[in-house]
Amino acid sequence: EPEVTQTPSHQVTQMGQEVILRCVPISNHLYFYWYRQILGQKVEFLVSFYNNEISEKSEIFDDQFSVERPDGSNFTLKIRSTKLEDSAMYFCASSEARQGTDTQYFGPGTRLTVL
Amino acid sequence: AQSVTQPDIHITVSEGASLELRCNYSYGATPYLFWYVQSPGQGLQLLLKYFSGDTLVQGIKGFEAEFKRSQSSFNLRKPSVHWSDAAEYFCAVDQKAAGNKLTFGGGTRVLVKP
Repeated sequence: EPEVTQTPSHQVTQMGQEVILRCVPISNHLYFYWYRQILGQKVEFLVSFYNNEISEKSEIFDDQFSVERPDGSNFTLKIRSTKLEDSAMYFCASSEARQGTDTQYFGPGTRLTVL
Repeated sequence: AQSVTQPDIHITVSEGASLELRCNYSYGATPYLFWYVQSPGQGLQLLLKYFSGDTLVQGIKGFEAEFKRSQSSFNLRKPSVHWSDAAEYFCAVDQKAAGNKLTFGGGTRVLVKP
């Protein structure tokens, strides 16, 4: 069964450093998402992406964040200058379409620890 | 404010016993409703979803959920749990007009006793 993959599974970085989290969505999917879950809190929507541009973003997704589809398979989330409060589990998801009825398939997550 | 609430943070159940996980939402109209499960080291896996029609929805792994409009609830049930059902369960909603942006509840962690 096709699945969404994410690398690395765990990333440790120093405050102020840039990190790139990588995702490989399911191959025929066209819509891509990032969510995050700070320890002990809810899973929160960050951004959705389609046709090489952001479709929607939350208030969390400020100028420190960016997303990119650098090639036909990868989807990345970049945090330019990490803060302690960026420590969280980051989930990538993909779906075939953007209808609310369309299932989002999630990856296993990348745990980001900012020291 | 619009929200999704899972009142139970932890539930412990004996293997073979029934399980019910509660989910309530607060939205103006009926959203699309989902239950996801996360096993350790795994991603969020969709168990089932409700869009319209029959209010009792069957999902994978023997789970079902019932939508009750009057109670703004979408509770998840399983008649007989297996040890492999130990995981964290998330209720989520899509506000239809929000373009497939999921809003999650806080999750319920299920422990299964032998």
